[in-house]
Amino acid sequence: SAVISQKPSRDICQRGTSLTIQCQVDSQVTMMFWYRQQPGQSLTLIATANQGSEATYESGFVIDKFPISRPNLTFSTLTVSNMSPEDSSIYLCSVRTGELFFGEGSRLTVL
Amino acid sequence: GENVEQHPSTLSVQEGDSAVIKCTYSDSASNYFPWYKQELGKRPQLIIDIRSNVGEKKDQRIAVTLNKTAKHFSLHITETQPEDSAVYFCAASEGGLTGGGNKLTFGTGTQLKVEL
Repeated sequence: SAVISQKPSRDICQRGTSLTIQCQVDSQVTMMFWYRQQPGQSLTLIATANQGSEATYESGFVIDKFPISRPNLTFSTLTVSNMSPEDSSIYLCSVRTGELFFGEGSRLTVL
Repeated sequence: GENVEQHPSTLSVQEGDSAVIKCTYSDSASNYFPWYKQELGKRPQLIIDIRSNVGEKKDQRIAVTLNKTAKHFSLHITETQPEDSAVYFCAASEGGLTGGGNKLTFGTGTQLKVEL
């Protein structure tokens, strides 16, 4: 199993600003995954964060908009840049140790 | 890439009845199929999973069946209870499950409501 801590748990942001979400895992993992869940929708993978290399982004997501850091095997950050109301979502950090475990999520509201 | 379709989008059943949710996937290389339950305002949590080397798996009131030929899998919940009310997501893993690694593609979700 894995215990994943995410912060902030929620935030209200102004259009045009950026916010960084932090994810801490209680064990060392090779890959960390960042998902987005828009209101009432499914989970969409944004990118896979690998320690020591650049993140791998899924189609429709770019590094300039969602820069990711992975400084060590237990920590990662996702930044949502130049936010617009369309970025209002829950952002979830996850790791796979056998099964896929999710953090509690960060609920962002962009005004 | 993988594409997972899920039906129905909403499902309402009476307490004690059974509920069935169905998913299809596109990538024949996928061989890991988990189901997640997400209660309102909470994170998704794994409730059951199946790998391609088995056709069915049961855990108390929940079961999952897999038909690799047809590329579909289903979640069955028997004797439903009000606490089963949640959104359920199916998922498929591209290229199989290895170590810490491959990503999951999720279905669109099913809102299950169990009525008293």
